[in-house]
Amino acid sequence: QVQLVQSGTEVRKPGASVKVSCKASGYTFTTYYVHWVRQAPGQGLEWLGVIDPSGGGTTYAQRFRGRVTMTRDTSTTTVYMELSSLRSDDTAVYYCARTANSGSSTGLFDYWGQGTLFTVSS
Amino acid sequence: EIVLTQSPDFQSVTPEEKVTITCRASENIGSNLHWYQQKPDQSPKVLIKYVSQSFSGVPSRFSGSGSGTDFTLTIKSLEVEDAATYYCHQSSSFPYTFGQGTKLEIK
Repeated sequence: QVQLVQSGTEVRKPGASVKVSCKASGYTFTTYYVHWVRQAPGQGLEWLGVIDPSGGGTTYAQRFRGRVTMTRDTSTTTVYMELSSLRSDDTAVYYCARTANSGSSTGLFDYWGQGTLFTVSS
Repeated sequence: EIVLTQSPDFQSVTPEEKVTITCRASENIGSNLHWYQQKPDQSPKVLIKYVSQSFSGVPSRFSGSGSGTDFTLTIKSLEVEDAATYYCHQSSSFPYTFGQGTKLEIK
């Protein structure tokens, strides 16, 4: 069955970086784009960007450009999201999610990871 | 970016009641509107895709309608397990955006 399994909780100081992983299984990794969405405590959902696991191409939300980097490792079927220059308002649960449409970055998210909480605190 | 505005933000409802949640987009998004349910400490789950298409495994009491800029999620007869926060999501253009959420509480 399709699964997206994310890395565990992280704590970082302001100004640091964090890299979260999302290991995919149960489907052809290179066929489905993977998005990252975050949710601050008690808040709604915010889209950060998307990566094409086949070619590695990315599209990032304007407000995160320059701070976010999405990469993938096809040998381990893992997608990574790194966020730098962390601020306290980056404290959130970060989710990876798969686009339902094969070969497309567009559409709904049919499978989600379990979420990774990272806390930014001095 | 496209702004999605949901109403209401919160609703307290009794079992078997019919519930309607609306989502208004700041511009025409065609049929690229999806609905998710999120329970505490869980990831969001798809309920409805492309305005009105049911998603595999979702109970038939959930339905969607609308077009262009105005959309509705309807729960025909609320069950206790439907206590959750509901989000609309547009996939018409990047950056993808979500409504602010509607929290349903069961009386």
